[in-house]
Amino acid sequence: EPEVTQTPSHQVTQMGQEVILRCVPISNHLYFYWYRQILGQKVEFLVSFYNNEISEKSEIFDDQFSVERPDGSNFTLKIRSTKLEDSAMYFCASSPGVYNSPLHFGNGTRLTVT
Amino acid sequence: QKEVEQDPGPLSVPEGAIVSLNCTYSNSAFQYFMWYRQYSRKGPELLMYTYSSGNKEDGRFTAQVDKSSKYISLFIRDSQPSDSATYLCASDILTGGGNKLTFGTGTQLKVEL
Repeated sequence: EPEVTQTPSHQVTQMGQEVILRCVPISNHLYFYWYRQILGQKVEFLVSFYNNEISEKSEIFDDQFSVERPDGSNFTLKIRSTKLEDSAMYFCASSPGVYNSPLHFGNGTRLTVT
Repeated sequence: QKEVEQDPGPLSVPEGAIVSLNCTYSNSAFQYFMWYRQYSRKGPELLMYTYSSGNKEDGRFTAQVDKSSKYISLFIRDSQPSDSATYLCASDILTGGGNKLTFGTGTQLKVEL
């Protein structure tokens, strides 16, 4: 069964550094997402992406964050200047559409900011 | 007020038991309801989704939505040790801009031999 793949599985970075988290969504899916889960807390929506542009973003997704689909298969999340509070699991997800199209999640990248 | 609430557990049951997992939600605009299973250090895995009030069955799993009381349930029949995981309910308004899911905190389930 097709799946969403994310790399790396674990990323350690120093505060203030830039990180790029990478995802390969399921190939025929059209909508792409980033969610995050701080340890012990809920999974939270960050951003949705469709037709090469952001379709919706949360309050968490400020100017430090950006997303890109640089080619036909990858979807990336960039954090420009990481903060300690950015430490979390970051999940990429994709769906074929919006209606009757549940999200399929990857296994996440655990980001640790020191 | 939290939009989707879920008892965090842990819930411990013997193998073969029927498990009932529940969520309540406050936003009347939610139209789309999902259950995900999450194993430790893994991503959420879709179990079931539904739009309407009523029951939806898939194998050992039954999802139930009562929009009038804003209550979502997942029933697991003949529970197995492999069902031990955290179960997340999620809801969505469906604005057309993509799926912006609102998750509950998750209920940790342990099925014991």
